[in-house]
Amino acid sequence: QSVLTQPPSASGTPGQRVTISCSGSSSNIGTNYVYWYQQLPGTAPKLLIYRNSQRPSGDRDRFSGSKSGTSASLAISGLRSEDEADYYCAAWDDSLSRWVFGGGTKLTVL
Amino acid sequence: VQLVESGGGLVKPGGSLRLSCAASGFTFSRHSMNWVRQAPGKGLEWVSSISSTATSIHYTDSVKGRFTIFRDNAKNSLYLQMNSLRAEDTAVYYCARDFIEVAGPGLNWFDPWGQGTLVTVSS
Repeated sequence: QSVLTQPPSASGTPGQRVTISCSGSSSNIGTNYVYWYQQLPGTAPKLLIYRNSQRPSGDRDRFSGSKSGTSASLAISGLRSEDEADYYCAAWDDSLSRWVFGGGTKLTVL
Repeated sequence: VQLVESGGGLVKPGGSLRLSCAASGFTFSRHSMNWVRQAPGKGLEWVSSISSTATSIHYTDSVKGRFTIFRDNAKNSLYLQMNSLRAEDTAVYYCARDFIEVAGPGLNWFDPWGQGTLVTVSS
């Protein structure tokens, strides 16, 4: 069982806006930054959002992150078929003294 | 910037394996490095990290005493020595760089990741 809780699946139609949640506790999300990684089928994870809401330079402006209290969310606007992937949230946990991940959310574009 | 893992394979329970991660395209000696694994069909699990000068090393509880992370900055390489392997260690193992050269816990992120190497522990 993962320390951070994500819905196992999410879906949307092309062009739609989809949100993926990530719930934690005071020892991780409540006090530390949240990071989001995208894992396309059969590939390695790739950074999507860092420090709650920052996007790596360049592309991916359809992706946005936010955090409130002990929860965070990833929003994807203008959904495209190529967004079909697994999405993972991550944060440092002060109590466990290690990185913790969510269980991942499989996004399906209908 | 590239990370390339190698060394995975099939090993019997109780056996050993050493994974390698060859880094290129950046100053390897300035970055902390990590191993993250993913069991088949499962999520991501951070395994171990090592600071740039190997003075700070951390492991997840399930591998403490069995796995050893180390690095050779002269060879731009990261390693994971895995002993007393168990079936539950079966996973794809990724090496991942801490993006910022110097940052406290939780202030850094994993970027980039290697392509991963599969470790299968089975009799």
